[in-house]
Amino acid sequence: AQSVTQLGSHVSVSEGALVLLRCNYSSSVPPYLFWYVQYPNQGLQLLLKYTSAATLVKGINGFEAEFKKSETSFHLTKPSAHMSDAAEYFCAVITASGGSYIPTFGRGTSLIVHP
Amino acid sequence: ETGVTQTPRHLVMGMTNKKSLKCEQHLGHNAMYWYKQSAKKPLELMFVYNFKEQTENNSVPSRFSPECPNSSHLFLHLHTLQPEDSALYLCASSQGVNRLTYGYTFGSGTRLTVV
Repeated sequence: AQSVTQLGSHVSVSEGALVLLRCNYSSSVPPYLFWYVQYPNQGLQLLLKYTSAATLVKGINGFEAEFKKSETSFHLTKPSAHMSDAAEYFCAVITASGGSYIPTFGRGTSLIVHP
Repeated sequence: ETGVTQTPRHLVMGMTNKKSLKCEQHLGHNAMYWYKQSAKKPLELMFVYNFKEQTENNSVPSRFSPECPNSSHLFLHLHTLQPEDSALYLCASSQGVNRLTYGYTFGSGTRLTVV
């Protein structure tokens, strides 16, 4: 079975500070990993994805994430937060195992950016 | 617009009403999904359609009835709902259930309130 844990339901940073949103996964086979962002009153938008190529993945809006197999982690980072980054962020894992390709989403982390 | 359009954006309905949610995509995707997003709960997968055929029903109560007349359109028919059904209902599409490495494209959702 696959699972995703996002540590911290809320993360608060100052504008210009480093953003770090944590995601740990559990999977018995090599996973595909995704980060999605949800702005208020919107659906989820794909930020970036890891599909077994480069372990450091760059996404939209200056975000990137690094796949670390030894730590079963896929943390999302951005060097300098913008006010416009305030949103809900979801990590998701898909494992192609037993014919199931349905992603499992984390509970989400709300990013708050202070001026 | 994200490529997946959901209507209406907001819906208030009584427990005895019958209403329908609509989802439309013209991305050439072959799989479509309904998700329920409630406050403080993970995204809940409800239904999966692949090439118009339902491939997943995640133990959803029969008061929710999906319909997929073609690969571009997906409906969720609602009747005799309960207040706990109030949530954001998200539609998503993907190239196929076995091609999820490309990720989902989500609509903006329908905010449903049952009174």
